[in-house]
Amino acid sequence: EIVLTQSPVTLSLSPGDRATLSCRASQSVSPYLAWYQQRPGQPPRLLIYGASNRATGIPARFSGSGSGTDFTLTISSLEPEDFAVYYCQLRSSWPPRFTFGPGTKVDIK
Amino acid sequence: QLQLQESGPGLVKPSETLSLTCTVSGASISSSSFYWGWIRQPPGKGLEWIGGIYYGGNSYCNPSLKSRVTLSVDPSKNQFSMNLSSVTAADTAVYYCARHAPGDGYNSFDYWGQGTLVTVSS
Repeated sequence: EIVLTQSPVTLSLSPGDRATLSCRASQSVSPYLAWYQQRPGQPPRLLIYGASNRATGIPARFSGSGSGTDFTLTISSLEPEDFAVYYCQLRSSWPPRFTFGPGTKVDIK
Repeated sequence: QLQLQESGPGLVKPSETLSLTCTVSGASISSSSFYWGWIRQPPGKGLEWIGGIYYGGNSYCNPSLKSRVTLSVDPSKNQFSMNLSSVTAADTAVYYCARHAPGDGYNSFDYWGQGTLVTVSS
């Protein structure tokens, strides 16, 4: 079973700052990695799929990178609406299994 | 615009079966292009995948829940459903239905319902 670890647990930043979030897999994985944003009281919102592809309607300030066991979500310049919890998610090949990381909270410094 | 809406009881007694339905609008659930899933989130905690189903009936479930989960599709109502048996307080969570993203080879979830809180308590 693949385990996803996210760091840091909490990231305290100011609007306009650059945010770098990490997701690490317990073993090398195919790039079926996705990132989601979840605001309080809202469902998750798909940001990035396939490790580096922005989902429809996602602003260019969000970018994803990585391969193997280490993946990164970068928010180039934080907007007020970006303060939220971010989850990474992976699909194992077969049988299909979907695993979420524990999340990183980006809050206002 | 694709929309998903969960429905079901907000309170379930321990040892009973939790039954939820997801109504899809804006797309046909019978389309061969779509897979549908369930994810849950205990209050204040992270996300847990429950399972997923294809309109033809093939389904896959989280091994930790497999013995208690049943998934089904009702194309006539454009709905899919889940049953979780023998519930305990640990099953208290917000339950989401979602669509597997076809543009991503079904590896992520691109549309989500708003979620429904289910509390397990006597």
